[in-house]
Amino acid sequence: DAGITQSPRYKITETGRQVTLMCHQTWSHSYMFWYRQDLGHGLRLIYYSAAADITDKGEVPDGYVVSRSKTENFPLTLESATRSQTSVYFCASTITVYATGELFFGEGSRLTVL
Amino acid sequence: KQEVTQIPAALSVPEGENLVLNCSFTDSAIYNLQWFRQDPGKGLTSLLLIQSSQREQTSGRLNASLDKSSGRSTLYIAASQPGDSATYLCAVNAGGTSYGKLTFGQGTILTVHP
Repeated sequence: DAGITQSPRYKITETGRQVTLMCHQTWSHSYMFWYRQDLGHGLRLIYYSAAADITDKGEVPDGYVVSRSKTENFPLTLESATRSQTSVYFCASTITVYATGELFFGEGSRLTVL
Repeated sequence: KQEVTQIPAALSVPEGENLVLNCSFTDSAIYNLQWFRQDPGKGLTSLLLIQSSQREQTSGRLNASLDKSSGRSTLYIAASQPGDSATYLCAVNAGGTSYGKLTFGQGTILTVHP
C-alpha cells in the first residue's frame, strides 16, 4: 500500500534494552521526521532527515539514534531504553520543507518501557 | 523560539453549530501553517495547508485563514457533525535555522454531541 507505515505499532520492552522503530514511505519524499507525543508536551521533534545519509537533531534527540541509508526508510533506535522514553512515536514525511510542503504522518508506534 | 498556542483547549458543541478554533504563533517568519486532525489512538491527518503567501484555504466544510502579521490562524468548521469529534492541531513551519521543523500547538479537543 502507498503511504507511510510504521512498525511495530505496539511494543513493550524493559529498561536498558535496545529498540528499533521502523518507518517506511512509498512517496520518495526527501524529508522524513520522527516525533514523540506525550501528554503535557504535545508533539516534539526527535530527529529529521533531508535526504539519504543526511540527518540532524531536533528538539529532544538524547537517547535516540537514526540512520537513513535509503530514501524510503528512516529507522529510529533507542540504544538503551529508559522509562522516560515511554511515548507514542510518529514518523512523518514531506516532499519539501518550503511553502508547499504538506506533512504526512504514519499511524504511530506506541512504546512502553517497563 | 517559535511558540504555538491553541485556544480553546477543549470545546463541546451540539451538532449543527458552526465553530472556530484558534491558533496563534509568536514568530511571523513562516513558510506555511498546517491544520491536522487526530482521532484517539491514531496518527495525524492533514486537513489544510496554508502557504505564507495565502490568506485562506477551504476544503468542504473546513475553512482555514492565516494572518501572518498578527501571528494568527483560525479553523472554521461549518455545520459540525459528531464525526468531527477529534483533536485538532495546528503546526507552523518556520524558516531560518528551523526550516522544515514544524512547531505544534497543544491541540483543541473537539466534541460534537448529537
